[in-house]
Amino acid sequence: ETGVTQTPRHLVMGMTNKKSLKCEQHLGHNAMYWYKQSAKKPLELMFVYNFKEQTENNSVPSRFSPECPNSSHLFLHLHTLQPEDSALYLCASSQNTGANVLTFGAGSRLTVL
Amino acid sequence: AQSVTQPDIHITVSEGASLELRCNYSYGATPYLFWYVQSPGQGLQLLLKYFSGDTLVQGIKGFEAEFKRSQSSFNLRKPSVHWSDAAEYFCAVLRSNDYKLSFGAGTTVTVRA
Repeated sequence: ETGVTQTPRHLVMGMTNKKSLKCEQHLGHNAMYWYKQSAKKPLELMFVYNFKEQTENNSVPSRFSPECPNSSHLFLHLHTLQPEDSALYLCASSQNTGANVLTFGAGSRLTVL
Repeated sequence: AQSVTQPDIHITVSEGASLELRCNYSYGATPYLFWYVQSPGQGLQLLLKYFSGDTLVQGIKGFEAEFKRSQSSFNLRKPSVHWSDAAEYFCAVLRSNDYKLSFGAGTTVTVRA
């Protein structure tokens, strides 16, 4: 596979569930990102990792917990979410966190009941 | 502070007609500029970018954009749209001092036959 792959593509969960989103990039990039996309709003940056180290947490609630075991994989662990957390979650990667182009995955559509 | 404004939420254009999508930003210095396209159920795909040099940049799928420093704008154009251009388009601005990336809220393009 090439590019940025996200699984699952769709996820429905209750407010008491625990689930995880997975992102994998095959581009040899060193930086990975989680974004939240809600309808008619700008993309919201959630987390940034560079060389496996978290470099940015954009005041995200603790019910979202990221994990980056290596430069190719990024997870977003979800627990006790709220209905307003329903959105498309996009993973992206770039060569590093400087002036680089982001490559996005297709997203994971999350619905919280 | 930085913001990215896409004044048009929704544009409808006839197939074969020209298209122009507006993007304005507020930032004191010259930023790096991007246009991304998102088809339904997909992630964001880079159409083109401006880093420096010629202010008229060519991208994929027949799109071009022009950076106008005096107007703080980076408008996207296509001379003749195809039905496959129906999608959502996002302008993004990367600050050159701290590499903070901001997205506009997007413009949805509908193409009628």
